[in-house]
Amino acid sequence: GAGVSQSPRYKVAKRGQDVALRCDPISGHVSLFWYQQALGQGPEFLTYFQNEAQLDKSGLPSDRFFAERPEGSVSTLKIQRTQQEDSAVYLCASSLLRAGGAKGANVLTFGAGSRLTVL
Amino acid sequence: KNQVEQSPQSLIILEGKNCTLQCNYTVSPFSNLRWYKQDTGRGPVSLTIMTFSENTKSNGRYTATLDADTKQSSLHITASQLSDSASYICVVSAGYGNKLVFGAGTILRVKS
Repeated sequence: GAGVSQSPRYKVAKRGQDVALRCDPISGHVSLFWYQQALGQGPEFLTYFQNEAQLDKSGLPSDRFFAERPEGSVSTLKIQRTQQEDSAVYLCASSLLRAGGAKGANVLTFGAGSRLTVL
Repeated sequence: KNQVEQSPQSLIILEGKNCTLQCNYTVSPFSNLRWYKQDTGRGPVSLTIMTFSENTKSNGRYTATLDADTKQSSLHITASQLSDSASYICVVSAGYGNKLVFGAGTILRVKS
């Protein structure tokens, strides 16, 4: 597609409910990132995929958070037993190059985000 | 600890005026510095990317500077327009590039 598409745009969940957020990156993009952006803050890194391989998941805040990209394109971020502190915008970004590649700084294209509100 | 600090936190200017946003960072090892514009309800959009050897880079009315010695960057916006109203986020890439450290952003509001 023309850009990074995320769905749903808005999700309201009751505390304890499981949610799944989807990211459709730009076709052919190797790298895919998930970020969490709290209100009034900059995005914070959650996890990074290079194709289907999850190379870095150091930013995932707890074992309730799980991300996958089984075929190296679409990715899903799953949050189990949601808590109020999980309320945030979840941003997905993709880039053509692999992170840290010899071609230098890779430009990330961000989706519009999925806003999660946990009641 | 890798950190990116931005100032001011928010800014209101009149249409047509210039403004400068500041970014200080303590990120090591430094790879590159990026400025993003984030409209409300949208994902960030890249304005500029600068590596260690670049001191300045322009993108239309946006000019970014980088002083790698003092670990400071600025984003200068010339002849502001109402559409410039957004959050401007400074992002520093650490190490091999998959660790981006984001600042909290400067919220700019341009008034007519």
